[in-house]
Amino acid sequence: TQLLEQSPQFLSIQEGENLTVYCNSSSVFSSLQWYRQEPGEGPVLLVTVVTGGEVKKLKRLTFQFGDARKDSSLHITAAQPGDTGLYLCAGTSGTYKYIFGTGTRLKVLA
Amino acid sequence: NAGVMQNPRHLVRRRGQEARLRCSPMKGHSHVYWYRQLPEEGLKFMVYLQKENIIDESGMPKERFSAEFPKEGPSILRIQQVVRGDSAAYFCASSPVAGSQAGELFFGEGSRLTVL
Repeated sequence: TQLLEQSPQFLSIQEGENLTVYCNSSSVFSSLQWYRQEPGEGPVLLVTVVTGGEVKKLKRLTFQFGDARKDSSLHITAAQPGDTGLYLCAGTSGTYKYIFGTGTRLKVLA
Repeated sequence: NAGVMQNPRHLVRRRGQEARLRCSPMKGHSHVYWYRQLPEEGLKFMVYLQKENIIDESGMPKERFSAEFPKEGPSILRIQQVVRGDSAAYFCASSPVAGSQAGELFFGEGSRLTVL
């Protein structure tokens, strides 16, 4: 069974701080996605990474896919209250089935 | 609104009743997924359907749960004889692609089921 463990589970930081969220598995994924979910809404895709070692940047967010394609990280620079939400990683092994991680709930205080 | 539409947004049922959740995928999408989310947790895969076909229902309990995606109309997730443990948010997602392509999943806003 493929599992994606995210850490930390909860994170509360002050506006302007940096943070990193991790997504780890013992399984290899052909691609990995990061989603953000706000209360009362469905997840929204932030990025897809497909190549081992790939780094993608989306404004203040930096995503990295591990060389072995078993793990990924999301780094946020100078966090803002608007970054508050549940961050979910999701991996697929080349099929239709997306396995979601356990989630990291981020709260950025003004 | 061209997004994934789910209804009802909130549903309250008593133990033993039936819950029926509907999902209309984005226009042009023929692949539908249902996920379940408990409070403070991630999403758990339940079932993947294409038009008129169930492709993978490995995440859906064998009893009381069923799903369909007819040729015409929305996809429906049906839960019979609900129990308190069925209380959760149920999300539908659609995608225009399947197979090995890393397609984006477009999620609806979810249906929140509360079983009294």
